Amino acid sequence: DVKVTQSSRYLVKRTGEKVFLECVQDMDHENMFWYRQDPGLGLRLIYFSYDVKMKEKGDIPEGYSVSREKKERFSLILESASTNQTSMYLCASSFFRGRLFYEQYFGPGTRLTVT
Amino acid sequence: AQSVTQLDSHVSVSEGTPVLLRCNYSSSYSPSLFWYVQHPNKGLQLLLKYTSAATLVKGINGFEAEFKKSETSFHLTKPSAHMSDAAEYFCVVSVNFGNEKLTFGTGTRLTIIP
Repeated sequence: DVKVTQSSRYLVKRTGEKVFLECVQDMDHENMFWYRQDPGLGLRLIYFSYDVKMKEKGDIPEGYSVSREKKERFSLILESASTNQTSMYLCASSFFRGRLFYEQYFGPGTRLTVT
Repeated sequence: AQSVTQLDSHVSVSEGTPVLLRCNYSSSYSPSLFWYVQHPNKGLQLLLKYTSAATLVKGINGFEAEFKKSETSFHLTKPSAHMSDAAEYFCVVSVNFGNEKLTFGTGTRLTIIP
């Protein structure tokens, strides 16, 4: 069974703080993704990574950065948290085999509140 | 570019009656299409996927969806709703270019009336 875990279920931070959200997958997946989920907007892709030390911007990368030092771990960083970054953050992972498509597996999410 | 539109933000059905959640997509190329479900305070779980094989796709928990290219639709159905089906459902599209960028719909919240 694929397992994607996220370091915290709930997090409360103050404006201006540096925030780290951690994600770990145990299935040796090449691809990892960070999304944020907001009511009425669905999921929006922040960043993704095809390999260690590789990253690509998604649809809404502003205010975020990422780090992938090991294949199983993908971190999302909020350099200076702001209240408009209050949201649910979801991590996902998947295999990559050329043009074949494999579904993404999601973690349980981290609900971040910035006050 | 690709996009997906979920036509209803909220659907309510009585237990034991059929479920229909509507999804239309737009894609310049042959798409892959998915339905994910999210139960309260849980992550997303894959219900079913279409990747250019059979147009009628069966998923978990009795759900199925039919890919209709002429109508650019991928509606999700279930013959008989169960209380445990209450959740949020997301229609998702992707284009097979060897990357896996998914585009999500805005979600449909399904409520089951006892």
